[in-house]
Amino acid sequence: AQSVTQPDIHITVSEGASLELRCNYSYGATPYLFWYVQSPGQGLQLLLKYFSGDTLVQGIKGFEAEFKRSQSSFNLRKPSVHWSDAAEYFCAVGARGNEKLTFGTGTRLTIIP
Amino acid sequence: EPEVTQTPSHQVTQMGQEVILRCVPISNHLYFYWYRQILGQKVEFLVSFYNNEISEKSEIFDDQFSVERPDGSNFTLKIRSTKLEDSAMYFCASKATSGTYNEQFFGPGTRLTVL
Repeated sequence: AQSVTQPDIHITVSEGASLELRCNYSYGATPYLFWYVQSPGQGLQLLLKYFSGDTLVQGIKGFEAEFKRSQSSFNLRKPSVHWSDAAEYFCAVGARGNEKLTFGTGTRLTIIP
Repeated sequence: EPEVTQTPSHQVTQMGQEVILRCVPISNHLYFYWYRQILGQKVEFLVSFYNNEISEKSEIFDDQFSVERPDGSNFTLKIRSTKLEDSAMYFCASKATSGTYNEQFFGPGTRLTVL
């Protein structure tokens, strides 16, 4: 069965600083990997996804993530955060052959001036 | 931009009561989902629905739960007799085509509180 771990419950960064949110997955084959963001009162919005090919994927809002099979990781990065990036970030894994997504517990990002 | 909507945003109910959570998926989407997130825990898959039937469900989705697409636009989740442990945020999602790699679009959620 697939699973996702997001080790950081809450991260605080200064505006303009770089960001890395960690995600580790467990799945026997090549997974489909996703990062979603949830702003207060909003639904989960897809930032980016990986399913094959280039292991560095670009997403919306200046985010990128790198798939590292050897480390079973799919960390989310942004070189310079903006106050509007404050939100909850969820990593998710999907498997071929079924439709469900398995999510991590989320990382809450706080931006300080 | 089309979006998934959910009503109500917050529902409070007494234990043992029936609740219906409502979702309006994006209009041309064919695949529908319910997930839930108990406070402080992971977002968990409950059920997927396609072509007017359940295509997959988790072990959480027991006989107390049911889903329906009553009128071609709404997608509902019914909990027949709520328990305290059903208190959670419930997310609806929809997708246009099959394939796990295709994006699921999520609604803002309904917070269910069971007293």
